[in-house]
Amino acid sequence: AQKITQTQPGMFVQEKEAVTLDCTYDTSDQSYGLFWYKQPSSGEMIFLIYQGSYDEQNATEGRYSLNFQKARKSANLVISASQLGDSAMYFCAMREGRSGGYNKLIFGAGTRLAVHP
Amino acid sequence: EAGVVQSPRYKIIEKKQPVAFWCNPISGHNTLYWYLQNLGQGPELLIRYENEEAVDDSQLPKDRFSAERLKGVDSTLKIQPAELGDSAVYLCASSLVGVAYNEQFFGPGTRLTVL
Repeated sequence: AQKITQTQPGMFVQEKEAVTLDCTYDTSDQSYGLFWYKQPSSGEMIFLIYQGSYDEQNATEGRYSLNFQKARKSANLVISASQLGDSAMYFCAMREGRSGGYNKLIFGAGTRLAVHP
Repeated sequence: EAGVVQSPRYKIIEKKQPVAFWCNPISGHNTLYWYLQNLGQGPELLIRYENEEAVDDSQLPKDRFSAERLKGVDSTLKIQPAELGDSAVYLCASSLVGVAYNEQFFGPGTRLTVL
């Protein structure tokens, strides 16, 4: 069965430093997608970055990058130059199946990031 | 462009009472999702609609939960009767299937407390 594991319940980082949030996944599908969402205290899930299973290069979106290691089934999120506003819950999620089709997301338990000044 | 709208944001009820949550997806999005998020956990899918058809409701506890999406736009999720264990955040999301990687856009959620 598909599963997402986030082993870090909480992380903290100093402002302006980089931080890596871990995510491992388990699937027997060849085609899948990996997402990272941010959930601030307001409750809304905010999409950050996406990596397709066939994408050869690691995805990047501004200060966010995804360290995709397919053989190890890991999709770690790297946030560079952390800001106070980055303090939030971060969820890794996996889409079953091909892009463009049914998009059921399976979420991990999340990592709470605290950015200290 | 307006995002996914949910109401109410917070609801406190006593057990055995009914409760309903409303969701208005992003205009033009044909797929709508209801997720349940328990404290300290990631969201879990309850039901997915494509237009007005519920195409995946396998995780919806049908003895007490019901949902509808009239005219393929707004959706309502209902619980009757509510139990203490239903206390959670109920998230609505929408997407446009067939576009890019089908990013799901989430609303702010409804936090339900059952006393």
